[in-house]
Formats: sequence, structure tokens, C-alpha cells
Amino acid sequence: NAGVTQTPKFRVLKTGQSMTLLCAQDMNHEYMYWYRQDPGMGLRLIHYSVGEGTTAKGEVPDGYNVSRLKKQNFLLGLESAAPSQTSVYFCASSYSNSFTDTQYFGPGTRLTVL
Amino acid sequence: RKEVEQDPGPFNVPEGATVAFNCTYSNSASQSFFWYRQDCRKEPKLLMSVYSSGNEDGRFTAQLNRASQYISLLIRDSKLSDSATYLCSGGGTSYGKLTFGQGTILTVHP
Repeated sequence: NAGVTQTPKFRVLKTGQSMTLLCAQDMNHEYMYWYRQDPGMGLRLIHYSVGEGTTAKGEVPDGYNVSRLKKQNFLLGLESAAPSQTSVYFCASSYSNSFTDTQYFGPGTRLTVL
Repeated sequence: RKEVEQDPGPFNVPEGATVAFNCTYSNSASQSFFWYRQDCRKEPKLLMSVYSSGNEDGRFTAQLNRASQYISLLIRDSKLSDSATYLCSGGGTSYGKLTFGQGTILTVHP
């Protein structure tokens, strides 16, 4: 049981390049989330998904797209990377939207955009 | 105003000390609250949920004050291993969405 995994762990991009971050969970969780974490800003929700085939915008969705084609995977795409997207990206999942459900986080992807 | 705010610290305390963090939230409709712990360059991990009646887990005690809209975390008998960033979070009424505070840095020294 690996929990939540993220690929890649590190990446350096040039401005304008594109990339996809992969999140996978093996806990059969319905809900998945993408956050970014910047110094002094805490965790901010980018997009989330409440089930296979569904996605929704979070607090800071601009410049990102997501897809949830399979229940266990949640992809985050950057179509044209900008230096402002330099951050640490965390994926998380939870079983449901119950008030007591824990969110489990992946180890993070450290992205630098030059 | 941020939906969830906490004092970023840093808090520097000696081993054995008692330390308390507060976190305020602005959305009175928030239903669920949590404290997460984050070690340097690692992912956040759930430390404890915060229940209306307050709850305790070993040296850790969490409290919720709905009237004043804040949650607190008390750590007794601090250990070196408690050094980390502590994130508070509050959730609304839909889709388990949590809003996180910016984190409070705790350093416990010998």
C-alpha cells in the first residue's frame, strides 16, 4: 500500500514549456486535490475532483488544467509554464467529503520555472 | 482577510516546555478542523482532528472555540522531535475542501 505517490519529485522548466504532474493513490479514495505551497502562503487549492471524470476549480486555478480519467489518478497540467508557478505541488486524496475524513498527501513535486 | 490565519512564529522553546498555537478562521460555516504537521521538505500529515468538545492525544490537546472562531493546539512536555511546521485547517460544508493557514514553525531546543 503506497498511499499517494507523485511523479516527478523535481523538475526544472523554462518559461513557456509544458508539463504534466501525475498523482496516483491506491486507497480507492473518491476525492483528490492539487495544492501548491509557497513560503508564507500555506497550502492553496488549485483544482479538485470528487470522482472519476469530474473536476472543479479551487482557489488558484489559473494556468493549470487537470484530468481524472481513472479513479486512482489525478493529473495536473501546466500548458505554458511561468516563473510564478515555481512552487511545491502536493496532491492529496480523501475517501469522501465527510467532515471527519482525513486528507492524505503525496510527497510533493518541487517545480522551478526559469 | 485570509480564511484561516495563524501566527507563523517561529516559536523557539526548550525541551519540556509547554507551547500553544492559535489559529483563527473567518468562515463561520466551517464544519471541520484539523491540525497537520509538516516536517522540513516533507508532505503534511494529519496530527489530529479538532472536535467541538476538545480532544487530547498524549501530549497534544486541541480545542475549538466557535464563539471566537479559533482553534488551538497545546503541546506539553515538548520533545526535540516536535520541531516542525504546524498547519491548521478548516473546512466548509462541501466536497471536503479545506483551507489551510500558512503554518507555525516550532523549534524545540535542548
